[in-house]
Amino acid sequence: EIVLTQSPGTLSLSPGERATLSCRASQSLSSSYLAWYQQKPGQAPRLLIYGASSRATGIPDRFSGSGSGTDFTLTISRLEPEDFAVYYCQQYGSSSWTFGQGTKVEIK
Amino acid sequence: EVQLVESGGGLVQPGGSLRLSCAASGFTFSSYSMNWLRQAPGKGLEWVSYISSSSSSINYADSVKGRFTISRDNAKNSLYLQMNSLRDEDTAVYYCARPRMGSMDVWGQGTTVTVSS
Repeated sequence: EIVLTQSPGTLSLSPGERATLSCRASQSLSSSYLAWYQQKPGQAPRLLIYGASSRATGIPDRFSGSGSGTDFTLTISRLEPEDFAVYYCQQYGSSSWTFGQGTKVEIK
Repeated sequence: EVQLVESGGGLVQPGGSLRLSCAASGFTFSSYSMNWLRQAPGKGLEWVSYISSSSSSINYADSVKGRFTISRDNAKNSLYLQMNSLRDEDTAVYYCARPRMGSMDVWGQGTTVTVSS
């Protein structure tokens, strides 16, 4: 089973700053099957990025994904107030899905 | 509008059973595989079970294998999760979600299952 490790656990930033979130896989995985989600308290997760770098429908271009192999990154170019949330990476393989433990982006 | 709506959650004693439902609308349900996922209080996301569009392929997380059963009724645009032998650690918000290209692009709002005596 592929384990995803996200870092940092918490990111304290101010609106307008750049956020860089990391997701490291325990073994190399297909970029086609790496996704990122945003979750706010009391809400379901929302798909942000699929295929490591493709934005989902309606996602602002301040969100971008990159990476390959075992190292993947979600970047938020300029934090808006509504971006403070928990972010999860997720991988797919053999009809099963695994998630990282999440990174909380909080207001500094 | 593409929508998934879960129902059936509640309070159940350890060892008890519960059946969750997920009603789909706004898309051709019979053409899509579906997932159940869960999130324990204050914890991260955990995939629970997968079913293909025709029910020919089914998969479960090890944590629920042998206790949970996923099924679907394409005529009713509905997905189900039968949960038996429930344990304290099954307490969570349960989501249904639509897999697409390795990710999940549509999620329900979730239904809460609490296992407690």
